[in-house]
Amino acid sequence: TQLLEQSPQFLSIQEGENLTVYCNSSSVFSSLQWYRQEPGEGPVLLVTVVTGGEVKKLKRLTFQFGDARKDSSLHITAAQPGDTGLYLCAGAQTGTYKYIFGTGTRLKVLA
Amino acid sequence: NAGVTQTPKFRILKIGQSMTLQCTQDMNHNYMYWYRQDPGMGLKLIYYSVGAGITDKGEVPNGYNVSRSTTEDFPLRLELAAPSQTSVYFCASSYEGGTINYGYTFGSGTRLTVV
Repeated sequence: TQLLEQSPQFLSIQEGENLTVYCNSSSVFSSLQWYRQEPGEGPVLLVTVVTGGEVKKLKRLTFQFGDARKDSSLHITAAQPGDTGLYLCAGAQTGTYKYIFGTGTRLKVLA
Repeated sequence: NAGVTQTPKFRILKIGQSMTLQCTQDMNHNYMYWYRQDPGMGLKLIYYSVGAGITDKGEVPNGYNVSRSTTEDFPLRLELAAPSQTSVYFCASSYEGGTINYGYTFGSGTRLTVV
């Protein structure tokens, strides 16, 4: 059973457009991370969110943790070709040490 | 600041051969992990270690072995390589000291082909 569902699975957009990627679960997470993986490389940690309702910004990327700590979103403003990659959410359920990776969103930004 | 270093980057093995994938981290992280990622698929946990001398199986451990003699090193051993082990292998590490996980640091991967 996949506990972290990401949507959309694939996204192809033009440079300059905005987009939002969602990460949803029915379980509560003590923290949640977002990673970006480029072809031929390992995932790179972008951010960790811990508190329900927390919003973090990383340049043009805005990350939000749901109030109930069951979901998260990643919003990219004015996407650039360098944003192309596989975006993964991941986290550990509250009360467990099991770390779960989301299903992934493959983003392609066209110049 | 090297982070997590994996060697080799690429390797072709013949069926039945053995090899060791090396992983070293210099962040003094207590936890280390081995994942495999098949094309278009997610990350599957092979083995993990919570500290030197302690290892445990993940969800796909068959055909692999690990050891953790030091905090820094966590090699993955493939015995009797099979085509089903063709994949990209990632080593990762994290510091676990409380109830909050702050994320993993991944190596750049080893692309293994078994022919």
